[in-house]
Amino acid sequence: DIQMTQSPSSLSASVGDRVTIACRAGQSIGSYLNWYQQKPGKAPKLLMYGASTLQSGVPSRFSGSGSGTDFTLTISSLQPEDFATYYCQQSYSNPWTFGQGTKVEIK
Amino acid sequence: EVQLVESGGGLVKPGGSLRLSCAASGFTFINAWMSWVRQAPGKGLEWVGRIKSKTDGGTTDYAVPLKGRFFISRDDSKNTLYLQVNSLKTEDTAVYYCTIEWVGDIFNWFDPWGQGTLVTVSS
Repeated sequence: DIQMTQSPSSLSASVGDRVTIACRAGQSIGSYLNWYQQKPGKAPKLLMYGASTLQSGVPSRFSGSGSGTDFTLTISSLQPEDFATYYCQQSYSNPWTFGQGTKVEIK
Repeated sequence: EVQLVESGGGLVKPGGSLRLSCAASGFTFINAWMSWVRQAPGKGLEWVGRIKSKTDGGTTDYAVPLKGRFFISRDDSKNTLYLQVNSLKTEDTAVYYCTIEWVGDIFNWFDPWGQGTLVTVSS
């Protein structure tokens, strides 16, 4: 199985801040990387697939980059509705695996 | 509008069994690859397994630790996905989500997800 490791596990930020979340794969996965957002008590929501392709309806302040083993999710200007937990997931090799999550909290 | 509605969760004793259902609407279920993902309380997401469409073979894949106890099936006439879980353990306590596994030209992804159903394994 491909291990996915996110950093940090949590972070505190203020509205308007630029936030970056890292995701590292245990082996090269090309661009087969998806990002999800999950708010408390809710189901996850797809933000991005193919490392950098924004899902329809997702605000453009979200962006993704990376390939191979290192990936980044960036929120250019954090909004109140962005406080949530973010997960990366590899779709390179079955079984699909997720990172452990990064919780973005209000400072 | 695509909707996925899970049901069948509840409290079950260790060693027991449960069948979860996911009622699908708003898309062509017969053509969809479907997955189950679970989330233990306060923990991250864990892929459980998937079933392909019958036109793509209808085969199933499972997370290795869950093979032999978890079984995914589908009834395309009812637009319903199932997860049969046997020999339940306390560590199976989780919210179980069903989701569509989209198979793009190059990439796969999960979207959308149901609201989840909680399975609690406890004596």
